[in-house]
Amino acid sequence: QKEVEQNSGPLSVPEGAIASLNCTYSDRGSQSFFWYRQYSGKSPELIMFIYSNGDKEDGRFTAQLNKASQYVSLLIRDSQPSDSATYLCAAPGLQGAQKLVFGQGTRLTINP
Amino acid sequence: EPEVTQTPSHQVTQMGQEVILRCVPISNHLYFYWYRQILGQKVEFLVSFYNNEISEKSEIFDDQFSVERPDGSNFTLKIRSTKLEDSAMYFCASSGGTLLGYGYTFGSGTRLTVV
Repeated sequence: QKEVEQNSGPLSVPEGAIASLNCTYSDRGSQSFFWYRQYSGKSPELIMFIYSNGDKEDGRFTAQLNKASQYVSLLIRDSQPSDSATYLCAAPGLQGAQKLVFGQGTRLTINP
Repeated sequence: EPEVTQTPSHQVTQMGQEVILRCVPISNHLYFYWYRQILGQKVEFLVSFYNNEISEKSEIFDDQFSVERPDGSNFTLKIRSTKLEDSAMYFCASSGGTLLGYGYTFGSGTRLTVV
């Protein structure tokens, strides 16, 4: 059974600082990872996905993947109060499968 | 921007009753999914649907659950005899292609409350 683990937080970061969110996964064969943002009572919203080792940047967001350490992270630069949400890490259930296995999410609060 | 639409946004039902949750996926998408999230818990996969048939289902998706794409636009989840533990947010999602290239777009969800 594939596991995706996240620290549930809460993580509190001052406005303008860098927020760092981490995720580990159990299946060494996992090829791709997804970061979703979920505001309270709302549906998950895709922020970005990554499938190559290294960094992938999209605006203020950077995803980092280290397959050797089975670790994926999301950095949010210049954090804004509107970034306050729960961030979900997810990976495909099996190679080639269409389902996603989600972590429990990290609750992030940006303090003005 | 295209959206996945779910109705109703909130449904209250009595234990043992049947409910149908409705979804309209993005029009050119090919893969459809149902997930659920019990309050305070992880988002959990229920079922995936492709080419008019179930492609994968979880152990949660037992005989009480069924999915249907009755026409070219709607995608429904039916729970035949609801239990208290079925109370959750149910999310429909769709994807234009494989996970690797696309990820999913989730609908806004239906909050199901079983009393």
